[in-house]
Amino acid sequence: DQQVKQNSPSLSVQEGRISILNCDYTNSMFDYFLWYKKYPAEGPTFLISISSIKDKNEDGRFTVFLNKSAKHLSLHIVPSQPGDSAVYFCAASAHGSARQLTFGSGTQLTVLP
Amino acid sequence: DTGVSQDPRHKITKRGQNVTFRCDPISEHNRLYWYRQTLGQGPEFLTYFQNEAQLEKSRLLSDRFSAERPKGSFSTLEIQRTEQGDSAMYLCASSSMDSLGSEQFFGPGTRLTVL
Repeated sequence: DQQVKQNSPSLSVQEGRISILNCDYTNSMFDYFLWYKKYPAEGPTFLISISSIKDKNEDGRFTVFLNKSAKHLSLHIVPSQPGDSAVYFCAASAHGSARQLTFGSGTQLTVLP
Repeated sequence: DTGVSQDPRHKITKRGQNVTFRCDPISEHNRLYWYRQTLGQGPEFLTYFQNEAQLEKSRLLSDRFSAERPKGSFSTLEIQRTEQGDSAMYLCASSSMDSLGSEQFFGPGTRLTVL
């Protein structure tokens, strides 16, 4: 039972355009959401996060939107750059002592020059 | 470099052997996590330490898996009697305590191949 789903395994975008990566979740107990970027042979790198008390968080070229009623979040990258090409993981955590992350299966983003 | 480090980066072993991996978290972080990632999937949570206490271990995949964090600093993950299905990337992450939620910072991982 996948509690965090990324339904698009891959996405190609032209350099300079917007990249939109989507993520859906099923567990209503999740209250903190994160996006990670991963290059081959490296560990995931934290990008941006959002608490469930907000619906938007912005950091430079990266913006995360949260729609709690739809249990959906998205990551917008504007403008996209070739160096953004990587696998992007959506993750969520629930209130509790461990706060372990539950990850989606990832979306491979390719930004074409 | 003050990030999370893991050793070794790669481990090749024969089925039935024991392996141990080490993780050194960011020094001021009191929370430490182990995850496993297989091809085409996101990382999967295994276990969690707060300081030296292992507060969550129910997700360890079998009793062949064990983890320690003896002094609340570095941690080790041991797999006994390895099986081919244990081949995966083993990731360590650390974070600081935060009641709302906080980012976990990951190490580069240890790639295990069981022949």
